Amino acid sequence: EAGVAQSPRYKIIEKRQSVAFWCNPISGHATLYWYQQILGQGPKLLIQFQNNGVVDDSQLPKDRFSAERLKGVDSTLKIQPAKLEDSAVYLCASQGAWGANVLTFGAGSRLTVL
Amino acid sequence: ILNVEQSPQSLHVQEGDSTNFTCSFPSSNFYALHWYRWETAKSPEALFVMTLNGDEKKKGRISATLNTKEGYSYLYIKGSQPEDSATYLCAPVSSGNTGKLIFGQGTTLQVKP
Repeated sequence: EAGVAQSPRYKIIEKRQSVAFWCNPISGHATLYWYQQILGQGPKLLIQFQNNGVVDDSQLPKDRFSAERLKGVDSTLKIQPAKLEDSAVYLCASQGAWGANVLTFGAGSRLTVL
Repeated sequence: ILNVEQSPQSLHVQEGDSTNFTCSFPSSNFYALHWYRWETAKSPEALFVMTLNGDEKKKGRISATLNTKEGYSYLYIKGSQPEDSATYLCAPVSSGNTGKLIFGQGTTLQVKP
């Protein structure tokens, strides 16, 4: 089965610019997550979707971050405007069912904000 | 927000050494505990999902145990090899919430040949 696709793999932007990341999960996986991983820290959950609905976005900085999952398949994570502290790897993961099923991760999108 | 602690933060061992790491999590409302391995320049990949107290899982030279009553899990690597060098992440799942995984900060293992 095809894995989780993410793009772009790398992005360098100036602060205050905007950036968007795209994720295509494994076919049929209802749950989709976006995590932010800052160097030296564990992945931090930004948002969790179940089909096209948001289940948890309690840690998403909503003043600058937004995410959508139209039609319950692909998802886009946007940052506008970016700050230096947004430099991180953004991981997308999908899950077949709640809780005990493993997450399948994409390769990640590494963002550098200058 | 779940408080997940992993220790040690980093570890350097020689090839052939056996090693272990700890993942501590709140024992209340426990549903499952996930372990992932994240090698540099690759995607995190699942090692184990554990749900029962006293559970022990094994995959080659890697094994894990689970104590849900006291809220910890151990990951063991027997006879470490350079290809075991990676960051090992644990993530508990609580019952009664969205099923989300909250990751610890990870243990980074470096195995020297």
